Amino acid sequence: GAGVSQSPSNKVTEKGKDVELRCDPISGHTALYWYRQSLGQGLEFLIYFQGNSAPDKSGLPSDRFSAERTGGSVSTLTIQRTQQEDSAVYLCASSLSPGVTEQFFGPGTRLTVL
Amino acid sequence: TQLLEQSPQFLSIQEGENLTVYCNSSSVFSSLQWYRQEPGEGPVLLVTVVTGGEVKKLKRLTFQFGDARKDSSLHITAAQTGDTGLYLCAGFQGAQKLVFGQGTRLTINP
Repeated sequence: GAGVSQSPSNKVTEKGKDVELRCDPISGHTALYWYRQSLGQGLEFLIYFQGNSAPDKSGLPSDRFSAERTGGSVSTLTIQRTQQEDSAVYLCASSLSPGVTEQFFGPGTRLTVL
Repeated sequence: TQLLEQSPQFLSIQEGENLTVYCNSSSVFSSLQWYRQEPGEGPVLLVTVVTGGEVKKLKRLTFQFGDARKDSSLHITAAQTGDTGLYLCAGFQGAQKLVFGQGTRLTINP
């Protein structure tokens, strides 16, 4: 596919369970970003990857949140011991390189914690 | 506290009317961006404004960056039902961290 893809599109989980969200960026894009969007609101920056390293993790809300990127491509955002306040849409974006300002977004994963 | 404040948060108008959405901050940004987001999709970049006082036009949409690079506006002329969506402004903090406003939900009624 030509765009950023994310899976699953929807995830319903019980409080206390761990979840993994996946992002496949556009091929050749070296920069990858994770954002969180609460219902109908703006986006909140979580973490940024350049290649496989994360120079900026400043947006991760707590140590229950972690992310990794392998092979300079796929990224996984993991939330441990989920809480109800983690319910949101998690969006991934990629850009050609860190100096390029246009970010291309995936459709997001809607996470619901019961 | 929101770094970028958008107003109004909700706007519902009739097709054919004009509208303006505002994005304000107390901080200076090197550039500001406007995105449009439809339900179930990620935001799509509409424009990037870089120079203070810059005006960019995209068909019926006019984007302006304030002289002091702290604010921006989006003006839509003769709104159409296809303009309905969530409009987001965003600015870069540092080289890579994009901060977003809370969005303006626009509804154009036929």
